[in-house]
Amino acid sequence: AQSVTQLDSQVPVFEEAPVELRCNYSSSVSVYLFWYVQYPNQGLQLLLKYLSGSTLVESINGFEAEFNKSQTSFHLRKPSVHISDTAEYFCAVSEMDSSYKLIFGSGTRLLVRP
Amino acid sequence: ETGVTQSPTHLIKTRGQQVTLRCSSQSGHNTVSWYQQALGQGPQFIFQYYREEKNGRGNFPPRFSGLQFPNYSSELNVNALELDDSALYLCASSLDRTNTEAFFGQGTRLTVV
Repeated sequence: AQSVTQLDSQVPVFEEAPVELRCNYSSSVSVYLFWYVQYPNQGLQLLLKYLSGSTLVESINGFEAEFNKSQTSFHLRKPSVHISDTAEYFCAVSEMDSSYKLIFGSGTRLLVRP
Repeated sequence: ETGVTQSPTHLIKTRGQQVTLRCSSQSGHNTVSWYQQALGQGPQFIFQYYREEKNGRGNFPPRFSGLQFPNYSSELNVNALELDDSALYLCASSLDRTNTEAFFGQGTRLTVV
């Protein structure tokens, strides 16, 4: 069965510092990979996704993630964070089966300090 | 283009009661999924509807049921509410069942007392 592990429940970082949020998954079949962001009292917003092709994917606001099949990882990185990046980040996978349901990790709270 | 809207935004129910949550999918989307997000956890998949047919279900008891209407809006019904059902219920709509671009509503916060 597929599962997603986000080892870091909270990551504190100073503004303008780089950050990496870790995500590992397990699955016996091909998967799609996603990062979602959730701001307080809001739903989830898609940040970026890997479907196929280049293993490095980028978002419009400076985040990037790299799919590593051998390590079954999809870590999220940003070279310089802003206060406004403070939010909860969820990694998710969907197996290419009949439902393509999204399986989420437990989330990582990114806390950016001035 | 309208987004995904859920109603109500907040709800308080008593243990044993029944509740219906509603979701209007984004224009042009034929797939709706429901998720339960307990406090401090990631969303858990409840079930998914594609063109009015259920095409996936998570590990939730039968008292969680749903429906998708011809206009692709959807509702989630929960019978015999338990305290542990207190959570944020999220609805997501997608262009198709592959969920490669799922749009989430803001959720319904259900509190069971």
